[in-house]
Amino acid sequence: EDQVTQSPEALRLQEGESSSLNCSYTVSGLRGLFWYRQDPGKGPEFLFTLYSAGEEKEKERLKATLTKKESFLHITAPKPEDSATYLCAVRGRLYNQGGKLIFGQGTELSVKP
Amino acid sequence: GAGVSQSPSNKVTEKGKDVELRCDPISGHTALYWYRQRLGQGLEFLIYFQGNSAPDKSGLPSDRFSAERTGESVSTLTIQRTQQEDSAVYLCASSSLAGAGEQYFGPGTRLTVT
Repeated sequence: EDQVTQSPEALRLQEGESSSLNCSYTVSGLRGLFWYRQDPGKGPEFLFTLYSAGEEKEKERLKATLTKKESFLHITAPKPEDSATYLCAVRGRLYNQGGKLIFGQGTELSVKP
Repeated sequence: GAGVSQSPSNKVTEKGKDVELRCDPISGHTALYWYRQRLGQGLEFLIYFQGNSAPDKSGLPSDRFSAERTGESVSTLTIQRTQQEDSAVYLCASSSLAGAGEQYFGPGTRLTVT
């Protein structure tokens, strides 16, 4: 069964304190690993897609990396506006899964000034 | 351009009543998805539409749930005889690539069943 586990559930950082969020996954043939940001009361906002081990993508203070078993979202010198819940999701290759995404529970990040 | 829109933004209903939720995808996006997010939990897949193909209904939790899509435009999710466990945020997403690529989400409809 395809599964995504994110850790930690919650992370509190001081402004400028870099850290990483983890996403461990098991999937029958990875067809993409996705990172989203979700602010309270809003829908998830797309950040990155990674397709193969070794791939990396960056956007401002965020950098996503991928191995065969997990992905990391590195946050460098975070600011209070980076506070949000970060969601990881995977898409498997099995035909009957269509295009659906399997989501983890999310990591709630709080950055204090 | 305009993103995915959903209506209503909030819906409070009594147990046993039927509700209808609406989703307008991004123009030109052929794939449309519905997900459910219970409080403090991740997103749970419900149903997937792609063009004129038969929808993937594998995530619908019971026969009280159904969804329709008109061509490549509006979709409605209907929940009949609502139960308290149906309380959640219902999110719609669309994608330009069939079964591939990133999905863009709407703001969701918060459903509360009293």
